[in-house]
Amino acid sequence: EVQLVESGGVVVQPGGSLRLSCAASGFTFDDYTMHWVRQAPGKGLEWVSLISWDGGSTYYADSVKGRFTISRDNSKNSLYLQMNSLRTEDTALYYCAKGSNYYDSSGNHNPFDYWGQGTLVTVSS
Amino acid sequence: EIVMTQSPATLSVSPGERATLSCRASQSVSSNLAWYQQKPGQAPRLLIYGASTRATGIPARFSGSGSGTEFTLTISSLQSEDFAVYYCQQYNNWPPSYTFGQGTKLEIK
Repeated sequence: EVQLVESGGVVVQPGGSLRLSCAASGFTFDDYTMHWVRQAPGKGLEWVSLISWDGGSTYYADSVKGRFTISRDNSKNSLYLQMNSLRTEDTALYYCAKGSNYYDSSGNHNPFDYWGQGTLVTVSS
Repeated sequence: EIVMTQSPATLSVSPGERATLSCRASQSVSSNLAWYQQKPGQAPRLLIYGASTRATGIPARFSGSGSGTEFTLTISSLQSEDFAVYYCQQYNNWPPSYTFGQGTKLEIK
């Protein structure tokens, strides 16, 4: 059974830093791309970042580029999100999500098939 | 950036009836469109990918259609467990960026 368990969410002041973790199990972690997606309270979903299976490629939403860094440790089946220069608008539930095997014909595009339960980050003074 | 627009924002339907949810992309996303269901306090669940293919374990009453910029999710006979928020997502961009619609809340009439 695929399991994704996020941790590290806390209350932090604007300008502060935080590192989120996601522990994966139930699948071969280093076979898959991984993502972070966030959801502000009462709002919709916003994709945050993607990392390739080997960590060699990373991509970010414009809203977090230059402030957040995604990484992974395949030996520990873990995904991370380093969040710096936090803003009040970064307040959200942060989910890690697994890239699926449902690729299109180009082999480049795929949706997410499993999500964790999320960890709450609150940026407030 | 590709903008995804869902309609309506809220849909009230009686159990046993059909529900039709719409999603429009600001530019073509080919068939790289997914639908997710989210219940209160839960993570999203993948329902449909490739615009029309059901994900593993998804009941046949869920169906998707469309390509390019116009997409539809149809739930043929609503069950009590289907009342939730539904999001569409495009995954067609390169470099990757994945945008979601703002969601449609499906509520009991």
